[in-house]
Amino acid sequence: AQSVTQLDSQVPVFEEAPVELRCNYSSSVSVYLFWYVQYPNQGLQLLLKYLSGSTLVESINGFEAEFNKSQTSFHLRKPSVHISDTAEYFCAVKGYSSASKIIFGSGTRLSIRP
Amino acid sequence: DTEVTQTPKHLVMGMTNKKSLKCEQHMGHRAMYWYKQKAKKPPELMFVYSYEKLSINESVPSRFSPECPNSSLLNLHLHALQPEDSALYLCASSQDKGLVLTFGAGSRLTVL
Repeated sequence: AQSVTQLDSQVPVFEEAPVELRCNYSSSVSVYLFWYVQYPNQGLQLLLKYLSGSTLVESINGFEAEFNKSQTSFHLRKPSVHISDTAEYFCAVKGYSSASKIIFGSGTRLSIRP
Repeated sequence: DTEVTQTPKHLVMGMTNKKSLKCEQHMGHRAMYWYKQKAKKPPELMFVYSYEKLSINESVPSRFSPECPNSSLLNLHLHALQPEDSALYLCASSQDKGLVLTFGAGSRLTVL
């Protein structure tokens, strides 16, 4: 079985400041890792994913995450945030088996201050 | 078309009512999902349909009844709900391996 821990329930930052949202996972098997974003009053959208290959993955809107197997982490970073990044961010994990379900973390609310 | 469409966006119902939530996708995805999301919580999986057959039921009470009429449609029939069932109900779909979920905007349900 897998589990995901997002240590920070809320992260307030100023506009144009850098941000890191932390995600740690636990699994006895190899996993795929994801970050989903949920803007207010909307469903979840895939932000980025790690399936294999390069451990650094990037999204089209400037976010990146690095898969660190030794630390079982998949932290999300952005060097300069914008007001429009205000949202809930969910880290998720899925085992390699096709029968494995996607497990979501508890979420981190990113609030951007002008 | 890369969208999952959910209707209605908002639904208010009494505990004796019967209503349905609808979900539609035209991406050719063969797996469809219902999730329940309470405020400030992650989505909780309820049901999974794979190739129009129910493959996962996460011990959901029988007052929730899913239906998959065809590969593009997914319904959630609601009957005799409780106030604690008030939540955002999210539909999602994925290709076979279920690696990436595409979510709809959700149906916000209030049970009075």
